[in-house]
Amino acid sequence: SQQGEEDPQALSIQEGENATMNCSYKTSINNLQWYRQNSGRGLVHLILIRSNEREKHSGRLRVTLDTSKKSSSLLITASRAADTASYFCASITGGFKTIFGAGTRLFVKA
Amino acid sequence: NAGVTQTPKFRVLKTGQSMTLLCAQDMNHEYMYWYRQDPGMGLRLIHYSVGEGTTAKGEVPDGYNVSRLKKQNFLLGLESAAPSQTSVYFCASSYAGNTIYFGEGSWLTVV
Repeated sequence: SQQGEEDPQALSIQEGENATMNCSYKTSINNLQWYRQNSGRGLVHLILIRSNEREKHSGRLRVTLDTSKKSSSLLITASRAADTASYFCASITGGFKTIFGAGTRLFVKA
Repeated sequence: NAGVTQTPKFRVLKTGQSMTLLCAQDMNHEYMYWYRQDPGMGLRLIHYSVGEGTTAKGEVPDGYNVSRLKKQNFLLGLESAAPSQTSVYFCASSYAGNTIYFGEGSWLTVV
């Protein structure tokens, strides 16, 4: 089974709305990362949050981490049609083994 | 700066054939990874390497072998391809535990 699991599997919203995606993981981590994948392309790094951090911002992105619940969330504010993509969380263990979840497919309607 | 480069981008194999996917990175990263991605699923780790001359098994290593003879290269081999290995393969590299940089993927079909 995979270390990370995203929720929801798919999300459809209107442009301008906020999109929230959640991720759960199973074992202790060194850090957790979020990636974006456009159809047919490789993954692109969005943001990294370390195990001793609780919240991090980058532009329209906000990531939270709750190590007691082994969960993280990614919030995209004021979404745009160009944000349409799949989003993956990746949990990085102390041994730097990186495990990805199944992803959330986000569709932003113009 | 090319980043992570994978070759070939597309390949069709017959069952039982062998092939090698090549991955090269020019960022002097210690860590390199091979993942496979199947429709509607996330990436599953096949094998990874924490440095030149070392390799380790990931989540789904069966049917694959890897080698890291040079720091910048990580090769993924299929000794006897099976239809179940039809997938998109991604190579990636990183400094330990930090941002992972991905290649553009290699589409493999086994018929």
